Amino acid sequence: QQQVKQSPQSLIVQKGGIPIINCAYENTAFDYFPWYQQFPGKGPALLIAIRPDVSEKKEGRFTISFNKSAKQFSLHIMDSQPGDSATYFCAARMQGGSEKLVFGKGTKLTVNP
Amino acid sequence: EPEVTQTPSHQVTQMGQEVILRCVPISNHLYFYWYRQILGQKVEFLVSFYNNEISEKSEIFDDQFSVERPDGSNFTLKIRSTKLEDSAMYFCASSARYEQFFGPGTRLTVL
Repeated sequence: QQQVKQSPQSLIVQKGGIPIINCAYENTAFDYFPWYQQFPGKGPALLIAIRPDVSEKKEGRFTISFNKSAKQFSLHIMDSQPGDSATYFCAARMQGGSEKLVFGKGTKLTVNP
Repeated sequence: EPEVTQTPSHQVTQMGQEVILRCVPISNHLYFYWYRQILGQKVEFLVSFYNNEISEKSEIFDDQFSVERPDGSNFTLKIRSTKLEDSAMYFCASSARYEQFFGPGTRLTVL
């Protein structure tokens, strides 16, 4: 019930492509959904986040699409660059007092030049 | 830009030894967390800390683990008697409310 399922496990695109990473959840008590970017040997860095009262959020080349009825959300990276090559984690936070983030298993993105 | 810092970056210890991992959260943040990431796996929540007490802990956070905020800036994670399976990256995070900002991590290697 507290899981967040992330796919695909790995993704390879060409420079300029639009990789899409998907996440799904079961628990409707989740109320905050961030995405983190992690480079090897570094900590996760907050990229963009969304609340369930909006269906889309854009920040620069990164867009989150949120489908509340399907309990799914996805990250799109427009005009992807080799520097975007990293592991991306979706996460979710429960409403009502719990502050912990529940993470997906991660997607290793490779953007080829 | 303010950031979460962690020391040491790498800690090697013998099984059964005590280790203390240190973190300096972002200065105006009120919520503090420890997460761990076993190599190649997802990030897992260990404990959250607010108002000088543990607000939530996972089943991983057993009696061997403890957290402390000994002064106004540091936040520490102590593992009393390390096991081989404690080898992982340990991340400290802090937040003012929703957005959690992570430190660079401490790689703990238990031999």
